[in-house]
Amino acid sequence: EPEVTQTPSHQVTQMGQEVILRCVPISNHLYFYWYRQILGQKVEFLVSFYNNEISEKSEIFDDQFSVERPDGSNFTLKIRSTKLEDSAMYFCASRTTSSYNEQFFGPGTRLTVL
Amino acid sequence: QKEVEQDPGPLSVPEGAIVSLNCTYSNSAFQYFMWYRQYSRKGPELLMYTYSSGNKEDGRFTAQVDKSSKYISLFIRDSQPSDSATYLCAMSFLGGYNKLIFGAGTRLAVHP
Repeated sequence: EPEVTQTPSHQVTQMGQEVILRCVPISNHLYFYWYRQILGQKVEFLVSFYNNEISEKSEIFDDQFSVERPDGSNFTLKIRSTKLEDSAMYFCASRTTSSYNEQFFGPGTRLTVL
Repeated sequence: QKEVEQDPGPLSVPEGAIVSLNCTYSNSAFQYFMWYRQYSRKGPELLMYTYSSGNKEDGRFTAQVDKSSKYISLFIRDSQPSDSATYLCAMSFLGGYNKLIFGAGTRLAVHP
């Protein structure tokens, strides 16, 4: 069964450093999303991406964040200068165009900012 | 008022029990409703999705939506220890790019 994959599973970084989180969405999916979940809190929407551009972003997704689909399979989230409060689980999700918004999530990347 | 409210639990039940998990929401524009299961430090796994009011059944799981009351439920029949997880309700608007709005999640423990 096809699934969303994410790398790395755990990333530790120093405050102020740049990180890139990688996702491989399900191959026939065309909508891509990033969500995050701070420990003990709700899953929160960050950004949606369709047709090679951002379609919607949340207030959390400020200028420090960017997304890219560098090739036909990968979808990345970059945080330019990490802060302590960026420590969270980051989930990538994808869906087809024809679904009732069934979004399939990856296993997540745990980001720890020291 | 929060957009999506969900009792965080924890909910502890014996094996074989019927479990009822619930969410309420405030925005009547929500049209798609999902239930996800999340094991500790893992990604949400889609269990059920519904669009209209009424019931939808899949094996031991039944999703129920009451749009007039802005209330959704997930029932688990014959609960198993492997059902022990956090259950997240999520919902979205019709059209657009359909970001999901999640509830806080209910932690369920099914003991043998």
